[in-house]
Amino acid sequence: EVQLVETGGGLVQPGRSLKLSCVASGFTFNNYWMSWTRQAPGKGLEWVASITNSGGSTYYPDSVKGRFTISRDNAQNTLYLQMNSLRSEDTATYYCTRYYGFPFDYWGQGVMVTVSS
Amino acid sequence: DIQLTQSPSSMSASLGDRVSLTCQSSQGIGNYLSWYQHKPGKPPKPMIYYATNLADGVPSRFSGSRSGSDYSLTISSLESEDTAIYYCLQYDEYPLTFGSGTKLEIK
Repeated sequence: EVQLVETGGGLVQPGRSLKLSCVASGFTFNNYWMSWTRQAPGKGLEWVASITNSGGSTYYPDSVKGRFTISRDNAQNTLYLQMNSLRSEDTATYYCTRYYGFPFDYWGQGVMVTVSS
Repeated sequence: DIQLTQSPSSMSASLGDRVSLTCQSSQGIGNYLSWYQHKPGKPPKPMIYYATNLADGVPSRFSGSRSGSDYSLTISSLESEDTAIYYCLQYDEYPLTFGSGTKLEIK
């Protein structure tokens, strides 16, 4: 059974940093691209970042480019999202997602990040 | 960036009704469009990929179609468990973009 378990969320002040982790199980992690997607309270879904199976290439929307970094440790079956210079508009539930054939075929339960002073 | 316009933004229908939700792309994306069902307190669930393909475990009352740059998600006979927000996503090019969603309720 595919499982994606996110950790690392919480309350953080504007301008500070936070790192999310996602431990994957139930599939061969290093065969799959992975992504992060988020949903701000009362808003729709927004793609945040993607990474190839090897980790050699990464992709971001302009809203987080230069502030967020997606990475992975294939030996540990773990995906990361390093979030720097956080803003109030980054407050959201962050989902770890798998990408196979099409985006987001599996989703984690999500982790809440609140950016507030 | 590619814009996806979903319509209607919300709707209500009766059990057993045939329901169609629409997603219009601002530029050509071929069949690189997927649909997700999102219920409160749960992660989104993939329903349709590559415009017309049913994702694993999705009931056969759901279907996807395309006419030019217009994409539709159709429920042939609405059931109470189908109450949710439905989002379309284009994955033809980066940045990946979602539509703003259609909230579907039961009358």
